[in-house]
Amino acid sequence: AQSVTQLDSQVPVFEEAPVELRCNYSSSVSVYLFWYVQYPNQGLQLLLKYLSGSTLVKGINGFEAEFNKSQTSFHLRKPSVHISDTAEYFCAVIISGGYNKLIFGAGTRLAVHP
Amino acid sequence: DTGVSQDPRHKITKRGQNVTFRCDPISEHNRLYWYRQTLGQGPEFLTYFQNEAQLEKSRLLSDRFSAERPKGSFSTLEIQRTEQGDSAMYLCASSLEGSNSPLHFGNGTRLTVT
Repeated sequence: AQSVTQLDSQVPVFEEAPVELRCNYSSSVSVYLFWYVQYPNQGLQLLLKYLSGSTLVKGINGFEAEFNKSQTSFHLRKPSVHISDTAEYFCAVIISGGYNKLIFGAGTRLAVHP
Repeated sequence: DTGVSQDPRHKITKRGQNVTFRCDPISEHNRLYWYRQTLGQGPEFLTYFQNEAQLEKSRLLSDRFSAERPKGSFSTLEIQRTEQGDSAMYLCASSLEGSNSPLHFGNGTRLTVT
């Protein structure tokens, strides 16, 4: 069975500092990987996705993520965060070749302080 | 692209009452998903439709829950005899076919059972 582990439930950071949100997955088959962001009282918005090809994926709002197959990781990074990046971030996987049933991690709360 | 629309945004009900939520997916999307999200957790898969056919139901979906997508367009999720444990955010998402097609989420319906 597939699972996703987000290693940090909360990440506090000061504005303009870099940030990394960690995600590890387990799967015996190939997967597609996603990061979603959720602002308070809203649904989830796709930040970026890894399907194949280059392991460094760039997304919206200056975020990027790197797929590391040997470490089964897909960590999310941003070189300089803004107050507006404060939100909940979810890592998710889909089994490649199946239908797109997303399996989510528990989420990481990013809190950006001035 | 008008996005995925969910109605109502908030629902407060008393234990034992029935509730029904509606989801209108993006018009050209033939796949529709329901997820449930409780506080501090990632979304959990409930059920999935391809057109009007309900192809998978999670074990989380007890017999008090029923979902329909009668014409392959909008979908409804009904909860009968609500319990306090049903309090959660119910998220709807839609996608095109293809396991690498990202899911587009609505803003959710927040259910509070008193």
